[in-house]
Amino acid sequence: DIVMTQTPLSSPVTLGQPASIVCRSSQSLEHSDGNTYLSWLHQRPGQPPRPLIYKISNRFSGVPDRFRGSGAGTYFTLQISRVEAEDVGVYYCAQATQFPWTFGQGTKVEI
Amino acid sequence: QVQLVESGGGLVKPGGSLRLSCEASGFALKDYPMNWIRQAPGKGLEWISYISGSGGTTFYADSVKGRFTISRDNAKNSLFLQMDSLRVEDTALYFCVRLRNFDSWGQGALVTVS
Repeated sequence: DIVMTQTPLSSPVTLGQPASIVCRSSQSLEHSDGNTYLSWLHQRPGQPPRPLIYKISNRFSGVPDRFRGSGAGTYFTLQISRVEAEDVGVYYCAQATQFPWTFGQGTKVEI
Repeated sequence: QVQLVESGGGLVKPGGSLRLSCEASGFALKDYPMNWIRQAPGKGLEWISYISGSGGTTFYADSVKGRFTISRDNAKNSLFLQMDSLRVEDTALYFCVRLRNFDSWGQGALVTVS
């Protein structure tokens, strides 16, 4: 199974300042079809996860452009350019390149 | 507007069974692969099963293989998860989720095994 490791697991942030989360995979996430199925999700307490980014760097409709995904192979990052109060919660990376699909442990972002 | 609504959760004793349903609206379910993903209380996310759009291909996590069965009725725009031989560790909120990009999630159905 592909293991997804996120760092840090907890990230105190300051409003208006940048924040960054790293996700490493135990194997390359590049699929034989040429795509890299690495996604980022955000979950607030009591709510289902909200998808933010797919295939490394593509933002879903409605996701603010302060969220930016990047990376390749086994190293990926999610950057928030200027943290806003609504950005608190837990962030997960996920891979859907190889079954079983797997998630990172989650990174808790708090002000 | 894409909407996924899970139902069928509840309290069951170890060794019992439950069948979860997920009703899709706002899109044609037959055109999309679907997943079940669960989250134990206070824990992270665990993918447990996938089904192709036609229903002809399925995959399972080792933790549920042989006990859970995913299926779909595209005519009724519905996804199902038959859960047998339930264990205490299956206690979780179960989400139906569209696509390998995880682009749409339901609110979840709570399953408690105790």
